[in-house]
Amino acid sequence: QKEVEQNSGPLSVPEGAIASLNCTYSDRGSQSFFWYRQYSGKSPELIMSIYSNGDKEDGRFTAQLNKASQYVSLLIRDSQPSDSATYLCAVNRIVGAGKSTFGDGTTLTVKP
Amino acid sequence: EAGVAQSPRYKIIEKRQSVAFWCNPISGHATLYWYQQILGQGPKLLIQFQNNGVVDDSQLPKDRFSAERLKGVDSTLKIQPAKLEDSAVYLCASSLSPSPHRDRGGQETQYFGPGTRLLVL
Repeated sequence: QKEVEQNSGPLSVPEGAIASLNCTYSDRGSQSFFWYRQYSGKSPELIMSIYSNGDKEDGRFTAQLNKASQYVSLLIRDSQPSDSATYLCAVNRIVGAGKSTFGDGTTLTVKP
Repeated sequence: EAGVAQSPRYKIIEKRQSVAFWCNPISGHATLYWYQQILGQGPKLLIQFQNNGVVDDSQLPKDRFSAERLKGVDSTLKIQPAKLEDSAVYLCASSLSPSPHRDRGGQETQYFGPGTRLLVL
């Protein structure tokens, strides 16, 4: 079992729809959770971080964390073609420490 | 503010050859990371430096990989000898503090360089 699991996709949604990306993790001691966006041929870019159970909103993005279920998700509202990318979930066992474990990413395609 | 610089951007070598990658982090960033990203997978941390000291190198294949950050600024990652399975993108990232992440735009955000794409034939 991988430490961080994501559906590889591809996930395809029409423009303007809500895209839902999911991530599960195996280490119950994980404390910090992150979503990165990676365009094809480019480097990852941090878009959201979440540390406490519940929802965290930033513009069109909402991260949701449920530590009891070991589950973190990312919702993208009003999806745009420019959101088409691979979304990486990363989990850190210790807040403030360096090492993170990444999932293999979910590829999202937003169709005009 | 200049971003993380890496060179070369692309490298093609034959197996058993050696190769070196260079990274210049964002000015003032104390923490530097080297990741390996194989096609279709997420980045895997190889080594983390805090200034010129190693914080974590638990996933670095030390029989063939080495890295240094002698003056606490630039860093080099070397592979000797290379194997076919080393074909990947090698990403360098830096952050102001030991924590690689925090809220976007915060002092501890991790910034990635453009990567070096390595192909081993």
